[in-house]
This record gives sequence, structure tokens and C-alpha cells, in this order.
Amino acid sequence: ETGVTQSPTHLIKTRGQQVTLRCSSQSGHNTVSWYQQALGQGPQFIFQYYREEENGRGNFPPRFSGLQFPNYSSELNVNALELDDSALYLCASSLVGGQYNSPLHFGNGTRLTVT
Amino acid sequence: DAKTTQPPSMDCAEGRAANLPCNHSTISGNEYVYWYRQIHSQGPQYIIHGLKNNETNEMASLIITEDRKSSTLILPHATLRDTAVYYCIVRGPNTGNQFYFGTGTSLTVIP
Repeated sequence: ETGVTQSPTHLIKTRGQQVTLRCSSQSGHNTVSWYQQALGQGPQFIFQYYREEENGRGNFPPRFSGLQFPNYSSELNVNALELDDSALYLCASSLVGGQYNSPLHFGNGTRLTVT
Repeated sequence: DAKTTQPPSMDCAEGRAANLPCNHSTISGNEYVYWYRQIHSQGPQYIIHGLKNNETNEMASLIITEDRKSSTLILPHATLRDTAVYYCIVRGPNTGNQFYFGTGTSLTVIP
């Protein structure tokens, strides 16, 4: 069974630039979620996708956007990067439309540094 | 959905049981308790979850009080590799995959 994989593992961008992070869901999972984890804090929910549509969003501005593809892989896009966007970005997948008794499985994240 | 309260840090001697408490006094009847842990620079790792019965798997045991207002994660024989931040999360039908992690408990296993 292949777990959740994310790429790249590390990334350095300049303020104002745009970034795309990628995620491959665990085999058989059809729901994907993205989280942001600032240094020293717990992960914070950005949004989730099911059937290629966003169906839940946390307190993040519209410059954070995403895509889910037919093979259930996903992208997180962040426009107009700010210094505070520096964080570990985590992707998580789950089985069967995000039923609440189905665990989320996380990747090891992409470490984004904005200078 | 209910939020949780955990002690910020705990120590445990290697080989002894680690008992990590979590309060979730506003939990609803259809909300599950989930436990994850995060080792430095890695993604959160799923440990165990339960609704109202005690649960056990190869990693840990989860004890949920009868009133469901608190729970305890038990690592029966802690090793140095169990040093991590442990998160207790409540999840229900309105939560979806929107987990509220809080700040967790930083467990240090001491040789």
C-alpha cells in the first residue's frame, strides 16, 4: 500500500511569487485535505477536496487555492506569497468521502520558506 | 465540534507505560476521539481512534471514560522513538477532515 507522498520536500520562494505544491493520495483514498503548520504550532486546516471539488475550507484567504484530479492527486497553489506563509504544508487523504470514522493519513509535508 | 485540552508536556521513563490524558468535556454523542503523533519534521501519524469503547491496536490503547468527557492514550512500553508531540482530536459528522489539532502534548521518553 502506497502512502501519501508530497513534492517537493523543501522549497524557497520570494515574497510576491506563486507556488504549487503536489500530493499523491494513499491508494484507494478519494478525499484530500491540506494543512498549514507554522513552527511550534499544530497543523491548521486549509481546505479539503472530494470528487474534484472543494467541500470545506478553513480560515485562509482566496490566494490559497487547490485542485484535485481524477486520479485523486492534488495541488495546493498559493499566490502573492507573504513571509508568514513560511510553514510546513501537509497533505492528508482519507477513504470514502471523508466519513468521520475513517482516519486521515498524512504525508511528510513540504517545507516552504518565503524570503 | 468539541475542542480538547491536553497537558503541554510530559516525561516518561523508557520501558514504562506512558499515559497521556485528554479532556473533551463538550464532546457530542456521535463524535469520535482520535489520537495522532508527530515526530519532528514528519507528518502526523495516526495512532488510534474510538467512540465509546476502549480500543487497542499494535501501537497503543485508548481508554475513554464512561461519560466520554475524557480519554487516555496508553503506550504500554515507551521507547525513545515514542518521543513526539501527541494530539488528541475530536471528530464528528460536521467536522469532515477539518481536524483541530491544538498544541498537543510533547512527550519525552527518558533513557
